[in-house]
Amino acid sequence: DSGVTQTPKHLITATGQRVTLRCSPRSGDLSVYWYQQSLDQGLQFLIQYYNGEERAKGNILERFSAQQFPDLHSELNLSSLELGDSALYFCASSGVSGVPYNEQFFGPGTRLTVL
Amino acid sequence: AQKVTQAQTEISVVEKEDVTLDCVYETRDTTYYLFWYKQPPSGELVFLIRRNSFDEQNEISGRYSWNFQKSTSSFNFTITASQVVDSAVYFCALYAGGTSYGKLTFGQGTILTVHP
Repeated sequence: DSGVTQTPKHLITATGQRVTLRCSPRSGDLSVYWYQQSLDQGLQFLIQYYNGEERAKGNILERFSAQQFPDLHSELNLSSLELGDSALYFCASSGVSGVPYNEQFFGPGTRLTVL
Repeated sequence: AQKVTQAQTEISVVEKEDVTLDCVYETRDTTYYLFWYKQPPSGELVFLIRRNSFDEQNEISGRYSWNFQKSTSSFNFTITASQVVDSAVYFCALYAGGTSYGKLTFGQGTILTVHP
């Protein structure tokens, strides 16, 4: 158990809908990262937050957004969903420094299926 | 741009065999970090090792060992006397600073199946 929690574990929805994925980092970690794992794209970094502020952006679509709240949990919002958004979405956290080259602890993931 | 290539898509071995997973990386940064993560069938990603670009010492942890060679831009992972529990997808990843700040670049992964 990495100490990172993600909810829900599974999510099935329809095209055009909007969903919110939630992540709670390990106790004490200030950085949260979101990743998408799909069969065709592999594991891709989406976005990083550090202590409530966006720190780095990867290949995140404009239909996707994220935020980190004062209690350090983070939410990833996916809107206008398409079939191709079906994937496993991981959240990871790392320590207090905010540097992403520290070991990242991954949550169990949320499997999103868009029908 | 950063790139990580894991040439082996799938490897199948019999228990107790040694197996090496290859990883080749590309970066123009002189300071970078290399990682290996394991993804067992349960799906979560588990950190195995981190190595920075200034430390070329090889590392051994139990049955696991890593060989880092800057001259060939490789960071290979060997499992000695493999076990069924080693069956998983293994990812090599690269972090480099500069314009890639914040981005961990993963290889496509190698599916390792260890048969009893």
